[in-house]
Amino acid sequence: DADVTQTPRNRITKTGKRIMLECSQTKGHDRMYWYRQDPGLGLRLIYYSFDVKDINKGEISDGYSVSRQAQAKFSLSLESAIPNQTALYFCATSDAGTAYEQYFGPGTRLTVT
Amino acid sequence: RKEVEQDPGPFNVPEGATVAFNCTYSNSASQSFFWYRQDCRKEPKLLMSVYSSGNEDGRFTAQLNRASQYISLLIRDSKLSDSATYLCVVGSGSARQLTFGSGTQLTVLP
Repeated sequence: DADVTQTPRNRITKTGKRIMLECSQTKGHDRMYWYRQDPGLGLRLIYYSFDVKDINKGEISDGYSVSRQAQAKFSLSLESAIPNQTALYFCATSDAGTAYEQYFGPGTRLTVT
Repeated sequence: RKEVEQDPGPFNVPEGATVAFNCTYSNSASQSFFWYRQDCRKEPKLLMSVYSSGNEDGRFTAQLNRASQYISLLIRDSKLSDSATYLCVVGSGSARQLTFGSGTQLTVLP
């Protein structure tokens, strides 16, 4: 089984809808991250969490919210989706001791029409 | 100016060729440096860390020049399986955040 899983893997939704992307990990890592990837822009950090009680905004948090339900679960919500949130979304985890080495989930391809 | 800049390519090279990728970063306080590999429509995976003294892992050699804020990756004897996008990644800050370049696309041709 994969160490970092994301659901759904693909999603098409309409403008204005609320959508939640979920991430689970079995690596036992404390740190979890959400990124989005757009062509030509690389991965950009949306939110990150160092433990269940610690949530931090990343470079592009506007329009997104997160919830760290447990050490192993970190979900990303789009309260009212807009077309420019169409992107590939990745969840990642890292261990506090080797924080720079991040392990990524398979990604969620989100299309907002 | 992007914090981490890479030539997007694409680089199309024949099998067996040597190819080099370059990357520059703007934050002089950056602490750690990496190359990640990303296959088409897949997640990024750590390829190797980059040290000032230079480091080698099989056919891959990475170099860091802190004075010039420049990172390189050299791939020798290219294989078809090396075809991927190579991401230059810089770590910095007390939160140990990673900043990703937009990637350099490599295609190794038979």
